[in-house]
Amino acid sequence: GQNIDQPTEMTATEGAIVQINCTYQTSGFNGLFWYQQHAGEAPTFLSYNVLDGLEEKGRFSSFLSRSKGYSYLLLKELQMKDSASYLCAVLDSNYQLIWGAGTKLIIKP
Amino acid sequence: IAGITQAPTSQILAAGRRMTLRCTQDMRHNAMYWYRQDLGLGLRLIHYSNTAGTTGKGEVPDGYSVSRANTDDFPLTLASAVPSQTSVYFCASSASGTGSDTQYFGPGTRLTVL
Repeated sequence: GQNIDQPTEMTATEGAIVQINCTYQTSGFNGLFWYQQHAGEAPTFLSYNVLDGLEEKGRFSSFLSRSKGYSYLLLKELQMKDSASYLCAVLDSNYQLIWGAGTKLIIKP
Repeated sequence: IAGITQAPTSQILAAGRRMTLRCTQDMRHNAMYWYRQDLGLGLRLIHYSNTAGTTGKGEVPDGYSVSRANTDDFPLTLASAVPSQTSVYFCASSASGTGSDTQYFGPGTRLTVL
């Protein structure tokens, strides 16, 4: 079967750095997405990785290792507005997104 | 530019009733999707459409139907609602359904079936 694993919840301090991990087992791989979802709102796109390595975009970076079935999202200089759920999703061989359950990130002052 | 709109925002429905959730996008995207999101579970694909006039089944299609008469609209119908269909429903669209295009989401419809 297809499976995406992420931690359920993480807590971090304002101004710090946090890494959210995602491991996957899917039928085929055509890329990995990270989305941010604030409570009661729609998911919004953060990043897309299809090749191994680190993609940096401002305070957010995303890493992919296809051989390990592993990705992480790195958030730097955390702000209170970063409190949200972070969703990992893999594009499978049929170009359908398989979603993890999401990681709820709590930022404390 | 509105992006994707969904209606209604929320609805309480008696079991056995028929309900259509509406979704409209103004980005001229070819592909559209319906997901449901339940606590502790990832988004699950219900139905999708890669282009107007075509539809396909996702992971959890039973009890739901869709149509795609034109590019902009993609309604989701529950023919006879059951309590297990209580969920938050998101409509999404992307430029194409056969590539790695980003999916953009509507604001969601919160549906409660009693």
